[in-house]
Amino acid sequence: GQQVQQSPTSLVLQEGENAELQCNFSTSLNSMQWFYQRPGGSLISVFYNPSGTKQSGRLTSTTVIKERRSSLHISSSQITDSGTYLCALNNNAGAKLTFGGGTRLTVRP
Amino acid sequence: EAAVTQSPRNKVAVTGGKVTLSCNQTNNHNNMYWYRQDTGHGLRLIHYSYGAGSTEKGDIPDGYKASRPSQENFSLILELATPSQTSVYFCASGDALRGRVAETLYFGSGTRLTVL
Repeated sequence: GQQVQQSPTSLVLQEGENAELQCNFSTSLNSMQWFYQRPGGSLISVFYNPSGTKQSGRLTSTTVIKERRSSLHISSSQITDSGTYLCALNNNAGAKLTFGGGTRLTVRP
Repeated sequence: EAAVTQSPRNKVAVTGGKVTLSCNQTNNHNNMYWYRQDTGHGLRLIHYSYGAGSTEKGDIPDGYKASRPSQENFSLILELATPSQTSVYFCASGDALRGRVAETLYFGSGTRLTVL
């Protein structure tokens, strides 16, 4: 089965609402990363967060290893936040990064 | 800002033909990766590399070869292309200690491959 599962698969928000994206994993964890992908575009690193909570502007990532989950919280969403958010884990197997299926976020005015 | 350049941006190939996708980074990053992205599957790792001369199998290596002749260049080779290999391919690089994952990955813009 899939090692990394993301939920929801898609999410539609009104501008200004908050978003909570989840990433659950079934294997051991060395590190967790979050990426953002614009529609039809490349990927950009958002967070490297092996454990605990990290914040950058309106984005907050929390990884709880013993619960095998990581989350990405987006506060006061903006139209420009629209795109796909992907989590990826490294499970101590060298430099391998395994991605989840992604959450497609649409923020409407 | 670290840059990763993929070529070509678009490629149409015939079944049974040979296809080479190229990736170049001038950031002196150790780790390089090849992923494919398909609807419903997210990104799946094909091959990766720890440095010049190194290639490692990812999660879906069958039907693909990789080559890392230098620190800067990492190629993905489809010796006998099949329609099931139609996809968007992404290359990425990152700087890390040997055998470790980088904290920041830099992705290329992708190559859209269609195999007829």
